[in-house]
Amino acid sequence: EPEVTQTPSHQVTQMGQEVILRCVPISNHLYFYWYRQILGQKVEFLVSFYNNEISEKSEIFDDQFSVERPDGSNFTLKIRSTKLEDSAMYFCASLAQGNNQPQHFGDGTRLSIL
Amino acid sequence: QQQVKQSPQSLIVQKGGISIINCAYENTAFDYFPWYQQFPGKGPALLIAIRPDVSEKKEGRFTISFNKSAKQFSLHIMDSQPGDSATYFCAAQKGVAGNMLTFGGGTRLMVKP
Repeated sequence: EPEVTQTPSHQVTQMGQEVILRCVPISNHLYFYWYRQILGQKVEFLVSFYNNEISEKSEIFDDQFSVERPDGSNFTLKIRSTKLEDSAMYFCASLAQGNNQPQHFGDGTRLSIL
Repeated sequence: QQQVKQSPQSLIVQKGGISIINCAYENTAFDYFPWYQQFPGKGPALLIAIRPDVSEKKEGRFTISFNKSAKQFSLHIMDSQPGDSATYFCAAQKGVAGNMLTFGGGTRLMVKP
């Protein structure tokens, strides 16, 4: 069964540094998402992406965040100047066209900010 | 109004028992309600989903009950097994395909052998 793959599985970064989280969505999917999960808390929506542009974003997704689909297969989340509170699991998800289709999640990248 | 409230936070059930997890929502624009199962170190995986035009959906040992007037829905796991031990999240989505999921707070289920 096709999967959403995310790399790296764990990223450790110094506060203030830039970090890029990478995702390869399922190949025929058209909608792409980033969610995050702070340890022990619920999964929170960050941003959705469709037709090469952001379609929706949450208040968490401020100016330090950006997303890109640079080559038609990868989908990246960039955090420009990381803060301690950015430490979380970041999940990428993708969705096929059509109603009643579920979002498929990757296994996440654990981001640790020191 | 965007929140989905989930209870209980944790649940311990004996093998063979019934696990019941409840969720409630406020926003009547929500019209797709999936349940996700998450094992440690893994991403959420879709378990079962329902739309509000039906009151119940069953897939194997998993059943969603939906009460549109009360704005509540629940997951029932029949004949619970130790392998069902995981965190379960309800979620809600509004409108057309492609919209974001709003997740409940999660329930950590432990099924004792």
